Amino acid sequence: SQQGEEDPQALSIQEGENATMNCSYKTSINNLQWYRQNSGRGLVHLILIRSNEREKHSGRLRVTLDTSKKSSSLLITASRAADTASYFCATDGSAGGGNKLTFGTGTQLKVEL
Amino acid sequence: DGGITQSPKYLFRKEGQNVTLSCEQNLNHDAMYWYRQDPGQGLRLIYYSQIVNDFQKGDIAEGYSVSREKKESFPLTVTSAQKNPTAFYLCASSTTGNQPQHFGDGTRLSIL
Repeated sequence: SQQGEEDPQALSIQEGENATMNCSYKTSINNLQWYRQNSGRGLVHLILIRSNEREKHSGRLRVTLDTSKKSSSLLITASRAADTASYFCATDGSAGGGNKLTFGTGTQLKVEL
Repeated sequence: DGGITQSPKYLFRKEGQNVTLSCEQNLNHDAMYWYRQDPGQGLRLIYYSQIVNDFQKGDIAEGYSVSREKKESFPLTVTSAQKNPTAFYLCASSTTGNQPQHFGDGTRLSIL
Protein backbone atom coordinates (compact mmCIF):
# COMPACT_ATOMS: atom_id res chain seq x y z
CA SER A 1 0.00 0.00 0.00
CA GLN A 2 1.14 3.57 -0.58
CA GLN A 3 0.76 5.67 2.50
CA GLY A 4 1.62 9.02 1.05
CA GLU A 5 0.33 11.29 -1.61
CA GLU A 6 2.46 13.94 -3.18
CA ASP A 7 1.38 17.21 -4.56
CA PRO A 8 1.72 18.34 -7.25
CA GLN A 9 2.07 15.25 -9.45
CA ALA A 10 4.09 17.31 -11.92
CA LEU A 11 5.85 20.66 -11.68
CA SER A 12 7.57 22.67 -14.38
CA ILE A 13 9.68 25.72 -13.50
CA GLN A 14 12.43 27.90 -14.92
CA GLU A 15 16.04 27.55 -13.83
CA GLY A 16 16.74 29.73 -10.82
CA GLU A 17 13.20 29.49 -9.42
CA ASN A 18 12.32 27.60 -6.24
CA ALA A 19 10.43 24.31 -6.33
CA THR A 20 8.14 23.15 -3.53
CA MET A 21 6.73 19.65 -3.25
CA ASN A 22 4.33 18.45 -0.60
CA CYS A 23 3.75 15.03 0.94
CA SER A 24 0.87 13.85 3.10
CA TYR A 25 0.76 10.59 5.02
CA LYS A 26 -1.74 8.69 7.14
CA THR A 27 -0.18 6.98 10.15
CA SER A 28 2.35 7.84 12.85
CA ILE A 29 5.99 7.76 11.80
CA ASN A 30 9.53 7.45 13.16
CA ASN A 31 10.94 9.54 10.34
CA LEU A 32 10.20 10.81 6.85
CA GLN A 33 12.71 10.62 4.03
CA TRP A 34 12.95 12.26 0.62
CA TYR A 35 14.47 10.52 -2.38
CA ARG A 36 15.24 11.56 -5.94
CA GLN A 37 15.00 9.37 -9.03
CA ASN A 38 16.42 10.22 -12.42
CA SER A 39 14.66 8.57 -15.34
CA GLY A 40 15.40 4.85 -15.53
CA ARG A 41 17.69 4.89 -12.49
CA GLY A 42 17.53 3.90 -8.85
CA LEU A 43 16.56 6.23 -6.02
CA VAL A 44 19.05 8.46 -4.27
CA HIS A 45 18.52 9.49 -0.67
CA LEU A 46 18.32 13.25 -0.14
CA ILE A 47 17.36 13.95 3.45
CA LEU A 48 15.86 12.29 6.53
CA ILE A 49 13.82 14.17 9.12
CA ARG A 50 12.87 12.53 12.40
CA SER A 51 9.42 12.80 13.94
CA ASN A 52 10.69 15.14 16.68
CA GLU A 53 12.25 17.55 14.17
CA ARG A 54 10.37 20.35 12.40
CA GLU A 55 12.86 21.56 9.83
CA LYS A 56 16.08 20.35 8.25
CA HIS A 57 18.46 21.80 5.68
CA SER A 58 20.98 20.24 3.34
CA GLY A 59 22.60 22.52 0.77
CA ARG A 60 19.81 23.89 -1.44
CA LEU A 61 17.24 21.57 0.15
CA ARG A 62 14.90 22.48 2.99
CA VAL A 63 12.48 19.97 4.46
CA THR A 64 9.72 20.69 6.94
CA LEU A 65 7.62 18.22 8.89
CA ASP A 66 4.29 18.87 10.59
CA THR A 67 3.28 15.71 12.45
CA SER A 68 0.00 17.27 13.62
CA LYS A 69 -1.07 17.65 9.98
CA LYS A 70 0.80 14.52 8.85
CA SER A 71 2.52 16.45 6.11
CA SER A 72 5.97 17.39 4.88
CA SER A 73 7.35 19.69 2.24
CA LEU A 74 10.56 19.71 0.23
CA LEU A 75 11.86 23.04 -1.04
CA ILE A 76 14.62 23.17 -3.64
CA THR A 77 16.02 26.69 -3.91
CA ALA A 78 17.67 28.21 -7.00
CA SER A 79 16.80 25.20 -9.13
CA ARG A 80 19.05 23.95 -11.92
CA ALA A 81 18.32 21.91 -15.04
CA ALA A 82 20.16 19.03 -13.35
CA ASP A 83 17.44 18.96 -10.65
CA THR A 84 15.01 17.55 -13.25
CA ALA A 85 13.89 14.23 -11.74
CA SER A 86 11.09 12.56 -9.80
CA TYR A 87 11.00 13.18 -6.07
CA PHE A 88 9.47 10.75 -3.58
CA CYS A 89 8.70 10.98 0.09
CA ALA A 90 8.87 7.82 2.16
CA THR A 91 7.68 7.25 5.70
CA ASP A 92 9.18 4.88 8.21
CA GLY A 93 6.62 3.83 10.76
CA SER A 94 8.17 0.49 11.63
CA ALA A 95 8.54 -0.54 15.23
CA GLY A 96 11.83 -1.72 16.70
CA GLY A 97 14.07 -0.11 14.09
CA GLY A 98 12.67 -2.19 11.26
CA ASN A 99 13.28 0.49 8.63
CA LYS A 100 10.34 -0.55 6.45
CA LEU A 101 9.51 2.39 4.17
CA THR A 102 6.22 3.29 2.52
CA PHE A 103 6.61 5.50 -0.54
CA GLY A 104 4.42 8.22 -1.93
CA THR A 105 3.45 8.49 -5.58
CA GLY A 106 6.07 11.09 -6.43
CA THR A 107 6.36 14.54 -8.00
CA GLN A 108 7.92 14.89 -11.46
CA LEU A 109 9.98 18.07 -11.53
CA LYS A 110 11.12 19.60 -14.79
CA VAL A 111 13.51 22.54 -14.65
CA GLU A 112 13.80 24.38 -17.96
CA LEU A 113 16.65 26.58 -19.11
CA ASP B 1 33.51 1.83 -4.48
CA GLY B 2 30.75 0.54 -2.23
CA GLY B 3 27.32 0.10 -3.65
CA ILE B 4 24.53 -2.13 -4.85
CA THR B 5 24.66 -3.99 -8.13
CA GLN B 6 21.56 -5.27 -9.85
CA SER B 7 21.70 -7.54 -12.87
CA PRO B 8 20.66 -7.85 -15.55
CA LYS B 9 19.55 -4.34 -16.49
CA TYR B 10 16.90 -5.70 -18.86
CA LEU B 11 15.21 -9.11 -18.64
CA PHE B 12 12.58 -10.81 -20.74
CA ARG B 13 10.32 -13.56 -19.51
CA LYS B 14 8.31 -16.05 -21.48
CA GLU B 15 4.89 -17.14 -20.31
CA GLY B 16 5.11 -19.82 -17.61
CA GLN B 17 8.77 -19.17 -16.90
CA ASN B 18 10.45 -18.28 -13.62
CA VAL B 19 13.18 -15.66 -13.74
CA THR B 20 15.67 -14.56 -11.08
CA LEU B 21 16.90 -11.02 -10.54
CA SER B 22 20.27 -10.56 -8.88
CA CYS B 23 21.10 -8.03 -6.15
CA GLU B 24 24.54 -7.80 -4.54
CA GLN B 25 25.80 -5.21 -2.05
CA ASN B 26 29.26 -4.53 -0.62
CA LEU B 27 28.14 -1.94 1.92
CA ASN B 28 28.11 -4.47 4.78
CA HIS B 29 24.43 -3.67 5.36
CA ASP B 30 22.31 -6.10 7.36
CA ALA B 31 18.98 -5.21 5.75
CA MET B 32 17.97 -5.64 2.11
CA TYR B 33 14.74 -4.90 0.24
CA TRP B 34 12.99 -5.54 -3.06
CA TYR B 35 10.55 -3.05 -4.55
CA ARG B 36 8.40 -2.99 -7.64
CA GLN B 37 7.75 0.27 -9.53
CA ASP B 38 5.06 0.59 -12.19
CA PRO B 39 5.05 3.51 -14.66
CA GLY B 40 4.30 6.83 -12.99
CA GLN B 41 3.95 5.16 -9.59
CA GLY B 42 5.81 5.03 -6.34
CA LEU B 43 7.59 1.96 -5.01
CA ARG B 44 5.80 -1.01 -3.48
CA LEU B 45 7.60 -3.40 -1.14
CA ILE B 46 7.79 -7.02 -2.25
CA TYR B 47 10.08 -8.65 0.36
CA TYR B 48 12.62 -7.51 2.89
CA SER B 49 15.30 -9.13 5.01
CA GLN B 50 16.82 -7.71 8.16
CA ILE B 51 19.35 -10.48 8.69
CA VAL B 52 20.85 -13.46 6.92
CA ASN B 53 18.55 -16.50 6.65
CA ASP B 54 15.47 -14.47 7.52
CA PHE B 55 13.03 -12.48 5.37
CA GLN B 56 9.48 -11.13 5.55
CA LYS B 57 6.73 -10.50 3.03
CA GLY B 58 6.04 -6.95 2.02
CA ASP B 59 2.81 -5.55 0.61
CA ILE B 60 2.82 -7.43 -2.72
CA ALA B 61 4.69 -10.73 -2.14
CA GLU B 62 2.32 -13.00 -4.08
CA GLY B 63 4.04 -14.52 -7.12
CA TYR B 64 7.55 -13.71 -5.85
CA SER B 65 10.13 -15.57 -3.77
CA VAL B 66 13.48 -14.61 -2.22
CA SER B 67 16.41 -16.13 -0.36
CA ARG B 68 19.05 -14.60 1.93
CA GLU B 69 21.85 -17.13 2.28
CA LYS B 70 24.63 -14.54 2.32
CA LYS B 71 24.73 -11.06 3.82
CA GLU B 72 25.70 -9.45 0.51
CA SER B 73 23.13 -11.19 -1.72
CA PHE B 74 19.33 -11.08 -1.93
CA PRO B 75 18.04 -12.59 -5.19
CA LEU B 76 14.40 -12.22 -6.22
CA THR B 77 12.58 -14.88 -8.26
CA VAL B 78 9.55 -13.81 -10.26
CA THR B 79 7.50 -16.97 -10.60
CA SER B 80 4.97 -17.95 -13.24
CA ALA B 81 2.28 -17.29 -10.61
CA GLN B 82 2.94 -13.54 -10.97
CA LYS B 83 0.48 -12.74 -13.75
CA ASN B 84 1.54 -9.14 -14.33
CA PRO B 85 5.32 -9.11 -13.89
CA THR B 86 6.15 -6.29 -16.29
CA ALA B 87 7.69 -3.58 -14.11
CA PHE B 88 10.90 -1.93 -12.92
CA TYR B 89 12.40 -3.82 -9.97
CA LEU B 90 14.60 -2.03 -7.45
CA CYS B 91 16.79 -3.53 -4.76
CA ALA B 92 17.95 -1.55 -1.73
CA SER B 93 19.97 -2.05 1.42
CA SER B 94 20.43 -0.27 4.72
CA THR B 95 21.85 -0.56 8.18
CA THR B 96 19.20 -1.25 10.80
CA GLY B 97 17.69 1.39 13.04
CA ASN B 98 15.60 3.75 10.87
CA GLN B 99 18.35 4.66 8.40
CA PRO B 100 18.27 5.71 4.73
CA GLN B 101 18.19 3.05 2.07
CA HIS B 102 20.73 2.75 -0.75
CA PHE B 103 19.36 1.66 -4.11
CA GLY B 104 20.68 -0.21 -7.11
CA ASP B 105 19.93 0.95 -10.64
CA GLY B 106 17.13 -1.51 -11.21
CA THR B 107 16.12 -4.33 -13.54
CA ARG B 108 13.41 -3.77 -16.12
CA LEU B 109 11.39 -6.96 -16.67
CA SER B 110 9.20 -7.43 -19.72
CA ILE B 111 7.07 -10.27 -21.05
CA LEU B 112 7.76 -11.82 -24.44
